[in-house]
Amino acid sequence: KAGVTQTPRYLIKTRGQQVTLSCSPISGHRSVSWYQQTPGQGLQFLFEYFSETQRNKGNFPGRFSGRQFSNSRSEMNVSTLELGDSALYLCASSLPTGEAGNTIYFGEGSWLTVV
Amino acid sequence: EDQVTQSPEALRLQEGESSSLNCSYTVSGLRGLFWYRQDPGKGPEFLFTLYSAGEEKEKERLKATLTKKESFLHITAPKPEDSATYLCAVPTFQTGANNLFFGTGTRLTVIP
Repeated sequence: KAGVTQTPRYLIKTRGQQVTLSCSPISGHRSVSWYQQTPGQGLQFLFEYFSETQRNKGNFPGRFSGRQFSNSRSEMNVSTLELGDSALYLCASSLPTGEAGNTIYFGEGSWLTVV
Repeated sequence: EDQVTQSPEALRLQEGESSSLNCSYTVSGLRGLFWYRQDPGKGPEFLFTLYSAGEEKEKERLKATLTKKESFLHITAPKPEDSATYLCAVPTFQTGANNLFFGTGTRLTVIP
């Protein structure tokens, strides 16, 4: 069974640009969530989608957005990139019900460097 | 506000030297506590979920336990390949959502 797949794995962007990251969840999983990981702040929750609807959102500025498609794939977008957005962005998926307490599985992440 | 605190931040062990990692939490209604292992440059790998005080789970050299206020990850006779960052997390209390709040992790180094 394939795991959570994220693309691209590595990318470098310039300040002010925007970036889109993609995520394919484990087959049959309908809940997809995104996290940002930095050395200083650790793993922080960005947002969660279930059946194409955003169910929860972390404390991040509006430059961070996401969406989920009918096949459960998800994308996140960061506009007007800042140096501080350099991080590992992790996508995760969970069981069809998406209920809290269900196991959440992570992808390998997308490394974003903003220069 | 829900909080998850892990200690120690870093731990160096000799191969075969057993120890425990701690995760303390303050949540208004626990709906599970998760342990993950993360290797450098990779995403977290799921290890265990514990749902109620007194519950224990084991996997190879790892054993996770849960009380009403904290969880322990016991590592018995560790090997160098156990070196990684160990993260604990709790689910959101928000109804109808499923996401996790993570501790800052314990970076474990096992020396041959």
